[in-house]
Amino acid sequence: DVKVTQSSRYLVKRTGEKVFLECVQDMDHENMFWYRQDPGLGLRLIYFSYDVKMKEKGDIPEGYSVSREKKERFSLILESASTNQTSMYLCASLGNEQFFGPGTRLTVL
Amino acid sequence: AQTVTQSQPEMSVQEAETVTLSCTYDTSENNYYLFWYKQPPSRQMILVIRQEAYKQQNATENRFSVNFQKAAKSFSLKISDSQLGDTAMYFCAFMKLLGTYKYIFGTGTRLKVLA
Repeated sequence: DVKVTQSSRYLVKRTGEKVFLECVQDMDHENMFWYRQDPGLGLRLIYFSYDVKMKEKGDIPEGYSVSREKKERFSLILESASTNQTSMYLCASLGNEQFFGPGTRLTVL
Repeated sequence: AQTVTQSQPEMSVQEAETVTLSCTYDTSENNYYLFWYKQPPSRQMILVIRQEAYKQQNATENRFSVNFQKAAKSFSLKISDSQLGDTAMYFCAFMKLLGTYKYIFGTGTRLKVLA
């Protein structure tokens, strides 16, 4: 069975903190993606990676960075969290389709 | 640039009835994929159905079928015999056949199935 896992379901952080969101897939996929999901805006692509150490900006990369040191793991980093980054974050991995993780609901106070 | 539009933010349907969710898209590409994803409340997003643009035949998966109109750039999802478990957010998505494998998602339709 295909599996994409995310390190936390819920996370509460303070403004200015550095935040790490981890995503792991067990399907040996090359392509992985980070989205944020907000009501009325759908899913917006933050960053994606097509191979280890390779990354490309998506539509809304400002305030975020990513790391892909191993094929199975793709991390999203908020260097200095701000309240407007409160959102649901979804990770996905691409095979014949995109397989999604359960999501991390991040609240920045 | 490609865009995907879902014009129905919310819909409801009685159990056992049929409902159709609309999706339109804009692209200059000729080869692409279209998808419908389902996100149940507090649960993982899963693929419902996919359509390759080069296929004229509409895709079907059990109670789920699509009406793909390439010229009109329309891709609606029909759910027959609606069940309570169909209650979810539904997202339409587009992907170019050649390129970076990025998906473009619509803003979603929240479907509620009523008992």
